[in-house]
Amino acid sequence: DGGITQSPKYLFRKEGQNVTLSCEQNLNHDAMYWYRQDPGQGLRLIYYSQIVNDFQKGDIAEGYSVSREKKESFPLTVTSAQKNPTAFYLCATTNAQVKGNQPQHFGDGTRLSIL
Amino acid sequence: GQSLEQPSEVTAVEGAIVQINCTYQTSGFYGLSWYQQHDGGAPTFLSYNALDGLEETGRFSSFLSRSDSYGYLLLQELQMKDSASYFCAVLDSWGKFQFGAGTQVVVTP
Repeated sequence: DGGITQSPKYLFRKEGQNVTLSCEQNLNHDAMYWYRQDPGQGLRLIYYSQIVNDFQKGDIAEGYSVSREKKESFPLTVTSAQKNPTAFYLCATTNAQVKGNQPQHFGDGTRLSIL
Repeated sequence: GQSLEQPSEVTAVEGAIVQINCTYQTSGFYGLSWYQQHDGGAPTFLSYNALDGLEETGRFSSFLSRSDSYGYLLLQELQMKDSASYFCAVLDSWGKFQFGAGTQVVVTP
């Protein structure tokens, strides 16, 4: 089945530690996105990538880093510089080649907590 | 920059009709999408409007007025399973999505 796989589902971070959240897709979509969602809040864009080897900062990129070495993969690293990382992290993709009806497809998310 | 406004909560009884409004300010507007999210789950796509007018998909319809920077999601024949958060999202011409804070819809018996 085509889809987006995020792993792990739950992740715990110690103080001063970097952690990496995985996002893999087999939808052959060009564009990939990372969002952060805090309890009772909307989705805030961290980073997005329209094409391999290129990505742009979203609204809350500080303390995060990404890479896009392959079309299928868009890992997000939460660095120690992100002082309040506890949140629900969602990865999404869009078929950027299609103009018009462009739904975002979401993975099941990763819940990150501080130890 | 971009900003979106939608009500924080709406309560209605089963079988009723609910309208969730969304007003936006953005540069390079391309389209308006709606997503549903149940507690603990990921958002799922409901509808998308790029042109003015009404789009109907079963019990859900979405409307857009580009000149008024306004859209709404209409939920008809409400069911208990429709209790969820609903988000509007603006797509700009650079491929970036901006989400609203979400509207919690509570359906009561």
